[in-house]
Amino acid sequence: QKEVEQNSGPLSVPEGAIASLNCTYSDRGSQSFFWYRQYSGKSPELIMFIYSNGDKEDGRFTAQLNKASQYVSLLIRDSQPSDSATYLCAVSTGSGTASKLTFGTGTRLQVTL
Amino acid sequence: DVKVTQSSRYLVKRTGEKVFLECVQDMDHENMFWYRQDPGLGLRLIYFSYDVKMKEKGDIPEGYSVSREKKERFSLILESASTNQTSMYLCASSPGPRNSPLHFGNGTRLTVT
Repeated sequence: QKEVEQNSGPLSVPEGAIASLNCTYSDRGSQSFFWYRQYSGKSPELIMFIYSNGDKEDGRFTAQLNKASQYVSLLIRDSQPSDSATYLCAVSTGSGTASKLTFGTGTRLQVTL
Repeated sequence: DVKVTQSSRYLVKRTGEKVFLECVQDMDHENMFWYRQDPGLGLRLIYFSYDVKMKEKGDIPEGYSVSREKKERFSLILESASTNQTSMYLCASSPGPRNSPLHFGNGTRLTVT
């Protein structure tokens, strides 16, 4: 079983719709959860992070965390063509001083006109 | 803004060569990381460092070594490059707290022929 799992997609949504991206993880001791966006040929850039159960909103983005179900999601409201990218879920695992992140393989989002 | 700079955007090396990938960050971050990214496999951690002269193996350290002589600089070394090390290499840094997000450099696309 992969430590962090995402559906590879592509997930296709029309412009203006809500895109829902999902991620599950296997380590119950995971404490921190991150969403990165990666455009083709570029490096990942941080969109949001969440540490506690529930929802966290930032502009058009909402991260949702359910530790009991080991599930984290990202909602993108009013999707725009510029949101078309691969979205990586990352989970902080392990102990020690460094925030070692384990990444899912990403979900490719296509926002259509 | 955090800046993580990787010395080369594209690199072509021959099998058996010793290869150095350099990474510098300008935000006095404690932690630095080297990942490689391959289609279908996502981002995989090679090595990380949480302090000067300290290093820890990630998930796929075989065939690689690292050096961190100064806080701002983290080097990845391929002792004898092989074709299966053709990949996108991403350096990242994060501040001290364990659950901090990573900030990525622009990546180095390495081709080993």
